[in-house]
Amino acid sequence: GEDVEQSLFLSVREGDSSVINCTYTDSSSTYLYWYKQEPGAGLQLLTYIFSNMDMKQDQRLTVLLNKKDKHLSLRIADTQTGDSAIYFCAERANQGGKLIFGQGTELSVKP
Amino acid sequence: GAVVSQHPSRVICKSGTSVKIECRSLDFQATTMFWYRQFPKKSLMLMATSNEGSKATYEQGVEKDKFLINHASLTLSTLTVTSAHPEDSSFYICSALYGGEQFFGPGTRLTVL
Repeated sequence: GEDVEQSLFLSVREGDSSVINCTYTDSSSTYLYWYKQEPGAGLQLLTYIFSNMDMKQDQRLTVLLNKKDKHLSLRIADTQTGDSAIYFCAERANQGGKLIFGQGTELSVKP
Repeated sequence: GAVVSQHPSRVICKSGTSVKIECRSLDFQATTMFWYRQFPKKSLMLMATSNEGSKATYEQGVEKDKFLINHASLTLSTLTVTSAHPEDSSFYICSALYGGEQFFGPGTRLTVL
């Protein structure tokens, strides 16, 4: 079945880069997403990548996709205390289809 | 654009009562909305897919008589937790489909005493 795995915690110092990793099992995944959830809030879409891409950069965010290894990563450059949140990766097989979420990685940014 | 709201943001109720949560797409029409449940420090669990004008599709293990979903208009879906018990306490999040993507509401914190 479909499964998405993430490490649960990551702690970095302000100004450093953060790298959050995710692995998935569904080889038919077409769309892969990163969402951010702040305490007590809903999910905010940060970025996404199509399965035919290897990399996508959007300001401080860089997404890398290794389709062969089914590995997705999110790099946040110059991490700030406001980046502290839970980050979820999610995959979807087709447009409008069900999203499968990872467990979420809690990012803690220390000053 | 693509803003989704939920109401209420927080609700506390007594065991045995029913609670209704609303999910609205504010600036677009959504034929399809989704309802998720999130336990503390856990991932989102899809409960059901709500389609306007038809019956919701529930995920395996979700009681349809317990979690009633109504999607009567293109901008509103409601989730009613019937005869709520403390184990129903959770964070409920909805999303609405627009342009093939899901846009999430801010969530509703339900506490059943």
